Amino acid sequence: DTAVSQTPKYLVTQMGNDKSIKCEQNLGHDTMYWYKQDSKKFLKIMFSYNNKELIINETVPNRFSPKSPDKAHLNLHINSLELGDSAVYFCASSQEAGGNEQYFGPGTRLTVT
Amino acid sequence: GESVGLHLPTLSVQEGDNSIINCAYSNSASDYFIWYKQESGKGPQFIIDIRSNMDKRQGQRVTVLLNKTVKHLSLQIAATQPGDSAVYFCAEETSGSRLTFGEGTQLTVNP
Repeated sequence: DTAVSQTPKYLVTQMGNDKSIKCEQNLGHDTMYWYKQDSKKFLKIMFSYNNKELIINETVPNRFSPKSPDKAHLNLHINSLELGDSAVYFCASSQEAGGNEQYFGPGTRLTVT
Repeated sequence: GESVGLHLPTLSVQEGDNSIINCAYSNSASDYFIWYKQESGKGPQFIIDIRSNMDKRQGQRVTVLLNKTVKHLSLQIAATQPGDSAVYFCAEETSGSRLTFGEGTQLTVNP
């Protein structure tokens, strides 16, 4: 019954590796998001897709590439991981883009060593 | 208990007291605001929202006040309970679906 789910919950990897985080929502929402939360709990939008189309692309290194195979899924692939990528990554979804509550997943804690 | 100024990272209250968490937002064009609660190890959870054509909205034990003149948002929690202990974030929708989050306030409820 989980509305927004992410896998994995924890990810520990070495610098230079490539990794992916998967997100799925079963709410029938049109819009999905990726956020990064740093060690000071600051939450910042990274990307947003509406009906599989990219609508928000913040200033994020191009090592980060989102992919939306369908409306219910938004995955995040990260190439050449760096120490500074260590953070908690949250996926979220909303009914439509703009003026709607966003539902967040449980987060993926990424640790780069 | 009340957080004051632009931002107070922590707020400690006694169980049963009312809590007020304050937030200053940056964009006068923002027209949608949300309060989220984040418990340790979990994702942010929606508490209440308000649109810019309103100045007050009430939910169950929570009230959000919006003062557009001074770009200020507050969250009032009545009869605060230990389960309310969490980090609280305000967020403003600046353009399209882009939410800009505040830095968060850690609320601690003492029994």
